[in-house]
Amino acid sequence: NAGVTQTPKFQVLKTGQSMTLQCAQDMNHEYMSWYRQDPGMGLRLIHYSVGAGITDQGEVPNGYNVSRSTTEDFPLRLLSAAPSQTSVYFCASSFDRVNTEAFFGQGTRLTVV
Amino acid sequence: GQQVMQIPQYQHVQEGEDFTTYCNSSTTLSNIQWYKQRPGGHPVFLIQLVKSGEVKKQKRLTFQFGEAKKNSSLHITATQTTDVGTYFCASAIGGNMLTFGGGTRLMVKP
Repeated sequence: NAGVTQTPKFQVLKTGQSMTLQCAQDMNHEYMSWYRQDPGMGLRLIHYSVGAGITDQGEVPNGYNVSRSTTEDFPLRLLSAAPSQTSVYFCASSFDRVNTEAFFGQGTRLTVV
Repeated sequence: GQQVMQIPQYQHVQEGEDFTTYCNSSTTLSNIQWYKQRPGGHPVFLIQLVKSGEVKKQKRLTFQFGEAKKNSSLHITATQTTDVGTYFCASAIGGNMLTFGGGTRLMVKP
């Protein structure tokens, strides 16, 4: 049972480039979310999804897009990378919105130069 | 900004000393979850508290949820080097997805 799988683990982008961070879970969870982690800021919610075809914005959505075409996958797209998007990105999934534990992927460390 | 405040941000302790991190909110929380993130790792769920005044223990870790359900604490008795990491509290604010506190980074000197 793989849980939540994120790829890539590391990425360096140049300012203005676009890319997609991949996230897949094999636990049949309806709820999936993307967080970014910056020093001293904890984990901030970027976007989340409550099921296939349904997404919504979190606390810091600007510069990011998401889609949820299947239950398993929840990719995060950076449209035009900026140095302010240098961060560690975590994908998480859970059985329900808030009353069960969230399972996190291993994270993607992104550097934008 | 963060709606769940966590203090302290950092804590250095000597191995064997106790450690406590506190989580505070201005609003009543439906529940509180605690996670641990080892250096270079990802957050891992520790526990969830739901009831007012609830206390739960996991070996040397004691978790409390305040009577007003606006604060919570995690206490570690006799820290060990394996306790090193960042501890986060998290809760659903306003029925939304989990909101995390800023975390407390614990460093243990052997």
